[in-house]
Amino acid sequence: DAKTTQPTSMDCAEGRAANLPCNHSTISGNEYVYWYRQIHSQGPQYIIHGLKNNETNEMASLIITEDRKSSTLILPHATLRDTAVYYCIVREGTSGTYKYIFGTGTRLKVLA
Amino acid sequence: DTGVSQNPRHKITKRGQNVTFRCDPISEHNRLYWYRQTLGQGPEFLTYFQNEAQLEKSRLLSDRFSAERPKGSFSTLEIQRTEQGDSAMYLCASSTRDRVTEAFFGQGTRLTVV
Repeated sequence: DAKTTQPTSMDCAEGRAANLPCNHSTISGNEYVYWYRQIHSQGPQYIIHGLKNNETNEMASLIITEDRKSSTLILPHATLRDTAVYYCIVREGTSGTYKYIFGTGTRLKVLA
Repeated sequence: DTGVSQNPRHKITKRGQNVTFRCDPISEHNRLYWYRQTLGQGPEFLTYFQNEAQLEKSRLLSDRFSAERPKGSFSTLEIQRTEQGDSAMYLCASSTRDRVTEAFFGQGTRLTVV
């Protein structure tokens, strides 16, 4: 089972920041938080990952709380092309498998 | 294009037939994953390879499903005696063997069993 919970859906106005929350209260000390998104009928696309420090790349920022029990993905200036399902994943792994377990994600709709 | 390649993109088959899908990972990626995704759900883990070794299989992978990665490069996923419940998108992903790394997904093979 997925180790994360996310809201089912969110709307965001075009040009505004989209803040997508994720709860991962059972995360262990060496597990990373990954974010992927999936645009309709395409394979999931990697966005960003982090352990405990905030991370930023050309796509998004990831804010992880100090206790690491939750995180927020921030798309600073959402566009219509950011409409997608966003998945927050705590990467499991024992003995080196490190598989990605997806939940049902947050369906983000960016509105014109 | 140096991304993960999956073929075919679409497959329609009659119930009871066998189907085989192919995944070509990114060159030099040691790890290869197979997932299945049904409408409205997130991808479900099926199995995982490191090089040619199949290291983990989900309970979702019934005895009608078999996956191989014979030379540690491309992989195949075969479904025997297909059922309508097998209709789904089958996704392949690959990554390096680094502990902290992202997986790259292909565009998937959409299977429809009629």
